Order: sequence, then structure tokens, then C-alpha cells
Amino acid sequence: AQSVTQLDSQVPVFEEAPVELRCNYSSSVSVYLFWYVQYPNQGLQLLLKYLSGSTLVESINGFEAEFNKSQTSFHLRKPSVHISDTAEYFCAVSDGSQGNLIFGKGTKLSVKP
Amino acid sequence: GAGVSQTPSNKVTEKGKYVELRCDPISGHTALYWYRQSLGQGPEFLIYFQGTGAADDSGLPNDRFFAVRPEGSVSTLKIQRTERGDSAVYLCASSSIDGKQFFGPGTRLTVL
Repeated sequence: AQSVTQLDSQVPVFEEAPVELRCNYSSSVSVYLFWYVQYPNQGLQLLLKYLSGSTLVESINGFEAEFNKSQTSFHLRKPSVHISDTAEYFCAVSDGSQGNLIFGKGTKLSVKP
Repeated sequence: GAGVSQTPSNKVTEKGKYVELRCDPISGHTALYWYRQSLGQGPEFLIYFQGTGAADDSGLPNDRFFAVRPEGSVSTLKIQRTERGDSAVYLCASSSIDGKQFFGPGTRLTVL
């Protein structure tokens, strides 16, 4: 069965600093990868996804993630964070484009001024 | 509607009672998912519908949990003989053929 590991439960950073949120998944023949974000008192929102093609995927708010098959990783990065990026970030994997998602435990990103 | 809606937003019940949680998916979405999120954990898959039928119910923890989607739109998650360990946020998501899942705000269930 698939599993997802988010190595950091909490990541505190200062505003405008770079950040990397780590995600590793158990290997599979084919896999679809996702990052979801949950802002305080809001529901889960899809941030970005990898289905196929280019291994580097980007979101509209400056985040990017790179699919690394050999390391079974899908780390999320942003070169310069804002206070408004404070949220909990969940990495998820699926065996099919419409299959159920397997989530990691989440990483709480806290951006300080 | 514009997004996935779930009712009620909060439900407090007593141990042993029966509860129903409702999910209204985005119009036209054929796939509907139920997840459960306990404190400090990521969402945990429960069941997935494709149309009216349950395509995968492997995540339901035991036979006290049941879900239906009789007309291929609204879904109801039913929990019998609730236990304190059932306390969690129950999330619903729907998706179209591209597989992008849109989540509702969740129902926070508290079993006293």
C-alpha cells in the first residue's frame, strides 16, 4: 500500500526566506502526486499536482515541487515566503488520476515577520 | 453551487447514537470521496463513489460506517453506535474526469 512521509511537522521561517517542505512516498509503478494547503479555518485547497510530463510543477502563488523518481520525493519549495503563506501543507499520492488520495501527516509552515 | 458543501458544520452527539453527515458535491462531478481527519493527522480515506456506486470502500473502519449516494449527486455518511474514537473532522471531496479533488469545509463530529 502507498504511504507518504512528511518529515517535518512544523517549519518556522522568517518572511522573505526560502523554504522547503519535504515529502517522500513509497514507490509504485505509477503514481500521481499532490500538495494541498489548508489555511487557518479553511478547507483543503489543491496547490499543485504532478500527473506526468515535466517533473517540475509550479503553482500560481510561487510554490514549486519537483518529482524525483529515484529518490521517491516530491519536495515543495518557495524562494521567498510571505506572512500569508502561513498554513498547513499536506503531501498526497494516488495510484490513479481518479483514485483516492493517501495523505501525509502535514507540515505546519509558520512565517514570522 | 460554487463548491463542495457539507452539513452540519459541527455535530455533537453522545456515545451510542446514530449520526448522518451530508455532502453536496460540485454539480457535474461524477466522483465523490469521504475522508476522516483526526487531530494532528492528515486526512484518511474512507470511501469513493463513481456515480451511484461505491468504487472503493476499503477505508471504512468497520461495519458501523456506511455511505450512500442514491442519485449520483448528494452523499450521506452514516455512523451507527458512535464511539468516542469516531470524533474527527469528516471531509468530503468531489472531482470531475481530470481527477482534481475539491474539498468541502468538513463536518466536525464530537462524540461525548
